[in-house]
Amino acid sequence: RKEVEQDPGPFNVPEGATVAFNCTYSNSASQSFFWYRQDCRKEPKLLMSVYSSGNEDGRFTAQLNRASQYISLLIRDSKLSDSATYLCVVSRLTGTYKYIFGTGTRLKVLA
Amino acid sequence: DVKVTQSSRYLVKRTGEKVFLECVQDMDHENMFWYRQDPGLGLRLIYFSYDVKMKEKGDIPEGYSVSREKKERFSLILESASTNQTSMYLCASRLTGTQEKLFFGSGTQLSVL
Repeated sequence: RKEVEQDPGPFNVPEGATVAFNCTYSNSASQSFFWYRQDCRKEPKLLMSVYSSGNEDGRFTAQLNRASQYISLLIRDSKLSDSATYLCVVSRLTGTYKYIFGTGTRLKVLA
Repeated sequence: DVKVTQSSRYLVKRTGEKVFLECVQDMDHENMFWYRQDPGLGLRLIYFSYDVKMKEKGDIPEGYSVSREKKERFSLILESASTNQTSMYLCASRLTGTQEKLFFGSGTQLSVL
């Protein structure tokens, strides 16, 4: 079983739709949580960190449930430009910080 | 803005060749990483360097070595390239003491024939 698991998708949604992705992690020692966005053939870029209280950045809302060990990302009013792969990332301290990447969820927003 | 530069965007090599992948960052970050990304497997850590001349094996170091002689430069070396090393290689850097934000280079797509 992978330490960070995501539904690979693709999620095909119309413009303007609301879409949610979940991610589960298995190591309870995980300390920090992130969503990265990766466009086709490009490098990953930080979309947002995920805090225990939940956090919002414009149309994007991230939530963390430590008890159930999952992280979610909600995208409201989807735009064509949101089409990308969304990587769930967790980090924990093992001498130094280690980052564990999910394999990503692919989103296609359709006109 | 932080810039992480990888020397080549695409590289084609033959089996058995020695391959050097170079990565340079301009933000004085102590920590640098090499990952490979393969479909269905996500990003996997090959090697990590926490400072000059310091290195630590990641999850899949076999067949690779690294060099960090200067703070800004972290090189990944394939001593004898094999076809199963065909992959996207991503370099990243991070400031020590923060859990936040890995800065990635644009990646090198390596094909070993």
